[in-house]
Amino acid sequence: DAKTTQPTSMDCAEGRAANLPCNHSTISGNEYVYWYRQIHSQGPQYIIHGLKNNETNEMASLIITEDRKSSTLILPHATLRDTAVYYCIVSLSGGYQKVTFGTGTKLQVIP
Amino acid sequence: NAGVTQTPKFQVLKTGQSMTLQCAQDMNHEYMSWYRQDPGMGLRLIHYSVGAGITDQGEVPNGYNVSRSTTEDFPLRLLSAAPSQTSVYFCASRDPRETQYFGPGTRLLVL
Repeated sequence: DAKTTQPTSMDCAEGRAANLPCNHSTISGNEYVYWYRQIHSQGPQYIIHGLKNNETNEMASLIITEDRKSSTLILPHATLRDTAVYYCIVSLSGGYQKVTFGTGTKLQVIP
Repeated sequence: NAGVTQTPKFQVLKTGQSMTLQCAQDMNHEYMSWYRQDPGMGLRLIHYSVGAGITDQGEVPNGYNVSRSTTEDFPLRLLSAAPSQTSVYFCASRDPRETQYFGPGTRLLVL
């Protein structure tokens, strides 16, 4: 698996967009970018994933740079319930590679 | 669907005791894995399985055994518990699109 680099922590004002960056400079052409989050001590929760194109779902948007060496997860209107640790990982799709998680970004949404 | 279930939720062991952490999923996923998460740290992969009868080691396999006799179940065995194994343990299964679904976790304290 390619490695990812994320900031240790970030703050965001409630109601504003939260932009969480991730560097994955060694990503290979067929690896996807996945985002998960972990609230308190719960199990991580899937948010979104993408290969090349930008993706959007009901939770977030994912912007991947053209060279695919970095990406940004966007929470358009952060709420206090979005306070969590956010993990960016890269992985092949359709295969059986072991997937490991780093330490992620601790996002604190401030009232 | 119940998703991924784990039992027990909490467990206290004495050093040297053995126990099995149970994990089951009802989504017919081939890929399952076990992670541990220590305070303030990310998830570390212990063991994973790509299907019934097939298991392999992750980053931190020492002190743990797994088996996969059915698609649904993936138990994790602690052979002789040590205080260093005090942690929160998460089981996950993965669908063909590489999206992982995590259980609620088992909190283990080894005295």
